Amino acid sequence: QVQLVQSGAEVKKPGASVKLSCKASGYTLSIYYIHWVRQAPGQGLEWLGIINPSAGSTRYAQKLQGRVTMTRDTSTSTVYMELSSLRSEDTAIYYCARGVEVAAVRHSPPDYWGQGTLVTVSS
Amino acid sequence: DIQMTQSPSSLSASVGDRVTITCRASQDIRNELGWYQQKPGKAPKRLIYAASSLQSGVPSRFSGSGSGTEFTLTISSLQPEDVATYYCLQHNNHPFTFGPGTKVDV
Repeated sequence: QVQLVQSGAEVKKPGASVKLSCKASGYTLSIYYIHWVRQAPGQGLEWLGIINPSAGSTRYAQKLQGRVTMTRDTSTSTVYMELSSLRSEDTAIYYCARGVEVAAVRHSPPDYWGQGTLVTVSS
Repeated sequence: DIQMTQSPSSLSASVGDRVTITCRASQDIRNELGWYQQKPGKAPKRLIYAASSLQSGVPSRFSGSGSGTEFTLTISSLQPEDVATYYCLQHNNHPFTFGPGTKVDV
C-alpha cells in the first residue's frame, strides 16, 4: 500500500533552517511527482511547491522563492524540503503528498498524503 | 496567480440535508480542480479529481461538477461523519492554489 512517512516535529529559532523528509513506500518514488503543502495553526492549506523525483526538477511558490529547496534521494525513496531563514509565520504543519505520474501530460490533485510534520519557529 | 474563492465559508445543516459548496477560479482552469475533505488533526483526503471524478472508496453521496471558473461540491445527504472542512485545489497553472475552505457542521 502506498505510504508517505514524514519526519518528526521540529522546533527552530528565527533565522534557522529546517530540513524535512518524506519517505515513500509501496510504489516507486521516481514515477510520481511529490507536492509540499503547509497549514498554519487554524488556517487553510497553502501549496508550497513540487518536485519531479525522476529529474530532480522543481517549481516553488513565489512566496518562498530563495528560501525553499526540494531535493530527493531515489536510493532511499525519500524527498526532502529545506526551508531557511525561518520566521514565526513559517510555524505550520508541513505535508508531502503524491501527485500525478511524471510522464503524465497534465497534473492532477495529490492523492496520497503524509501524516504531516509540525514545525514551530519560536525564540 | 490564479485566485480561488469558496462560498460559503461555513455552514450548518441537518443530517440528511443536501449541501452545496461553490468554488470559483479567477480565470479559466478547464476541469483541473480537485476537492478535499479535512478533519481536525488529519491530513486532507481527496474526494474528487478532474472536477467531477469520484475518488475510489469515497461515498457516492459526494459529487462534483463544473468547468471553467465555477465548480460545486455536493453532499446529497449529509451524514454526521461529514463534519469537516472542505477545500478546492486548482492544478491548471503554477502555482497551484487552494480555496480558503468551507467548514461544515451538522
